[in-house]
Amino acid sequence: KAGVTQTPRYLIKTRGQQVTLSCSPISGHRSVSWYQQTPGQGLQFLFEYFSETQRNKGNFPGRFSGRQFSNSRSEMNVSTLELGDSALYLCASSLGQGASKNIQYFGAGTRLSVL
Amino acid sequence: GEDVEQSLFLSVREGDSSVINCTYTDSSSTYLYWYKQEPGAGLQLLTYIFSNMDMKQDQRLTVLLNKKDKHLSLRIADTQTGDSAIYFCAEMDTDKLIFGTGTRLQVFP
Repeated sequence: KAGVTQTPRYLIKTRGQQVTLSCSPISGHRSVSWYQQTPGQGLQFLFEYFSETQRNKGNFPGRFSGRQFSNSRSEMNVSTLELGDSALYLCASSLGQGASKNIQYFGAGTRLSVL
Repeated sequence: GEDVEQSLFLSVREGDSSVINCTYTDSSSTYLYWYKQEPGAGLQLLTYIFSNMDMKQDQRLTVLLNKKDKHLSLRIADTQTGDSAIYFCAEMDTDKLIFGTGTRLQVFP
């Protein structure tokens, strides 16, 4: 069974641009969560989608948004990029319901560099 | 608010046991987790423990949970150089993971 797939693995953007990151969950998983990892702030929760609906949201500005498609694939978008958005963005998938709903499996991440 | 704390570094000799410790604050957490991150990689789920358990063993890994003290530990038996990585403790809070700062484990021959 394939794991969580994130594309692209690396991105370089300049300030003011926008970026879209993609995540394909494990087959059968309906929940996708996004996390940001930086040396200064560590791992922080961005948002979670389940069945195409945002179910949970962290404390990030509105420049960070996401969506989920009917096949459970998810995208996150960051508009008007700032230098501080440089980070490793990690996607995690889980069943999203039932006894194992909170067991999250992570992808390899997308490393975003903002110049 | 929620806070998960870990020591930053641990250095052990190959073949010895490693014990990584973690304290958490949310007593209502139903699951507690250990993840491993190697350089340039994502997070690998190592193991997790349900809050009504005291101990869980999985091959070389042993997780101990002390709910009274809100203390979680991960013991790695017969530590190998391939175990060198950053280990994150995490608790689940309203369907989102709250991570510790990570413990960098260095294994020397």
